[in-house]
Amino acid sequence: AQSVTQLDSQVPVFEEAPVELRCNYSSSVSVYLFWYVQYPNQGLQLLLKYLSGSTLVKGINGFEAEFNKSQTSFHLRKPSVHISDTAEYFCAVRADSWGKLQFGAGTQVVVTP
Amino acid sequence: EAGVAQSPRYKIIEKRQSVAFWCNPISGHATLYWYQQILGQGPKLLIQFQNNGVVDDSQLPKDRFSAERLKGVDSTLKIQPAKLEDSAVYLCASSLGVSGTAVETQYFGPGTRLLVL
Repeated sequence: AQSVTQLDSQVPVFEEAPVELRCNYSSSVSVYLFWYVQYPNQGLQLLLKYLSGSTLVKGINGFEAEFNKSQTSFHLRKPSVHISDTAEYFCAVRADSWGKLQFGAGTQVVVTP
Repeated sequence: EAGVAQSPRYKIIEKRQSVAFWCNPISGHATLYWYQQILGQGPKLLIQFQNNGVVDDSQLPKDRFSAERLKGVDSTLKIQPAKLEDSAVYLCASSLGVSGTAVETQYFGPGTRLLVL
């Protein structure tokens, strides 16, 4: 079985500042890793995913994440946030190519001017 | 291309009543998922369909929850009778569902927010 831990439940950040959201996972097998964003009253939207290959993954809206196998982490970063990045961010793992996603509890990002 | 559609968007019921949610996946997507998202938690998979067959329903409380996808397209999720702890957002997602290919992306609908009083 897999599990995901998002280490911060809420991250306040000023506009144009960098942000990092931490995600650690545990699994006895190789996994695929995902970051989703959920804007208020909307469904989840895929930001980026790690399947294999380069450990640095670039996604939409200027986000990127780095897979670290030795630390079992997949932290999400953005060098300069906008007000519109205020949302909840979910890290997720999947053990096979089309099975269920196991989500973390989410990190609420609040961007203020 | 139209996304995943869900209805209703909001529902308020009293405990012990029944409720049903509807989902229409992206056209051509064979795999359909229902997730339950309780406030402050990440989504949890309730059931996964491949066409009209169930792939995984291990976390579906079968004494009160049921789901069907009769024609392999749209799907309904029912709760009967509802309990207070069923208050949550119910998310539907779909993916192409072609086994053996690259890892698939799941596309999520806007969700149905259920409040049980």
